[in-house]
Amino acid sequence: SAVISQKPSRDICQRGTSLTIQCQVDSQVTMMFWYRQQPGQSLTLIATANQGSEATYESGFVIDKFPISRPNLTFSTLTVSNMSPEDSSIYLCSVARGVETDTQYFGPGTRLTVL
Amino acid sequence: KNQVEQSPQSLIILEGKNCTLQCNYTVSPFSNLRWYKQDTGRGPVSLTIMTFSENTKSNGRYTATLDADTKQSSLHITASQLSDSASYICVVSGGSSASKIIFGSGTRLSIRP
Repeated sequence: SAVISQKPSRDICQRGTSLTIQCQVDSQVTMMFWYRQQPGQSLTLIATANQGSEATYESGFVIDKFPISRPNLTFSTLTVSNMSPEDSSIYLCSVARGVETDTQYFGPGTRLTVL
Repeated sequence: KNQVEQSPQSLIILEGKNCTLQCNYTVSPFSNLRWYKQDTGRGPVSLTIMTFSENTKSNGRYTATLDADTKQSSLHITASQLSDSASYICVVSGGSSASKIIFGSGTRLSIRP
């Protein structure tokens, strides 16, 4: 397993501002992912965070809106830029030790509310 | 189109009763299927994982089944407890890319005392 922490756990932000969410893992992992979970919905993959290179984004998500960094094998950040109320959601970080289809371990999530 | 559908959307049962949650998928090719439990305000936690050749796997009071021919899975919870109240998410790996992961919309289970 892996112990994953996220900061902040929750935040309330104003429209047009940006928020950076941090994800820290207690050990080195191969894969790190960022998901969004809108109220009452299941998880949607935003992107795969690649160490030392640009993240791989899923359809419908772009780097300008969700810039991601992964400077090493235990840490990643997701920024939600120029926020609107539609960005209100839970943002989850997950990790996998091997390949993407291995069991993923999820962080506790960051609950974001945009006013 | 690769899809994972879960039913029911929500379920309420009395403590101590059994229940079964369903997952149907159209993902092809198929790699594996997982059931996750997500408590309110927390990230999902893996309960079971099954590959093509496995048709039953247990984890305590949770038993998952898989029928790869009909592309159906179920999660059976025995002697439910209040702590079982959570969302249960079926996740299938496979698809046109070997690394595709498709999430179901989940079943919201509430256990009443």
